[in-house]
Amino acid sequence: DAMVIQNPRYQVTQFGKPVTLSCSQTLNHNVMYWYQQKSSQAPKLLFHYYDKDFNNEADTPDNFQSRRPNTSFCFLDIRSPGLGDAAMYLCATSRTGGFSTDTQYFGPGTRLTVL
Amino acid sequence: GESVGLHLPTLSVQEGDNSIINCAYSNSASDYFIWYKQESGKGPQFIIDIRSNMDKRQGQRVTVLLNKTVKHLSLQIAATQPGDSAVYFCADVYNNNDMRFGAGTRLTVKP
Repeated sequence: DAMVIQNPRYQVTQFGKPVTLSCSQTLNHNVMYWYQQKSSQAPKLLFHYYDKDFNNEADTPDNFQSRRPNTSFCFLDIRSPGLGDAAMYLCATSRTGGFSTDTQYFGPGTRLTVL
Repeated sequence: GESVGLHLPTLSVQEGDNSIINCAYSNSASDYFIWYKQESGKGPQFIIDIRSNMDKRQGQRVTVLLNKTVKHLSLQIAATQPGDSAVYFCADVYNNNDMRFGAGTRLTVKP
């Protein structure tokens, strides 16, 4: 049974056209994360929500925003996608948010193509 | 900032052989380490972890070794199978709230 679901799995957008990626979870976890993973690279944390509290990484561009309307759903908004934003976007959850005291569960990712 | 890196980007092994994937980390204060497996088209999946007060931990067909003196981490996979083909990432954690992934090693298992 899917626990972290990402839709769509593949998304194509045009340069500069806003795009939203979605993530949902059936685990009832408090924390939801968004990672960017470029080809052949490691995932890079963009931001996370602890419940309703938003935590942005210092080097995440302003072009990336996130919303979490309820426990189950979290959205990644890219306001003006550039060619360099083409990547796999991974959503993850954890119960408490402690990296060494908890386990992260990753979704399958959404591969974003920017034309 | 400090980061975790890997020695080799690719590793090819024969089915049935043992695999060793290496990782070097730079933060001497990191106290927890994780290995993830990422299959094509999927998100990373937790494989095994180790805390800094240990130097070895075994799971099912996998063993993680930690050498804090040289800041080196390795993942050993016994009797490698085609299903083990994936990209493997190490990650180090500092103070429970700062986790950094390494660059990843692609493991290919030849039949």
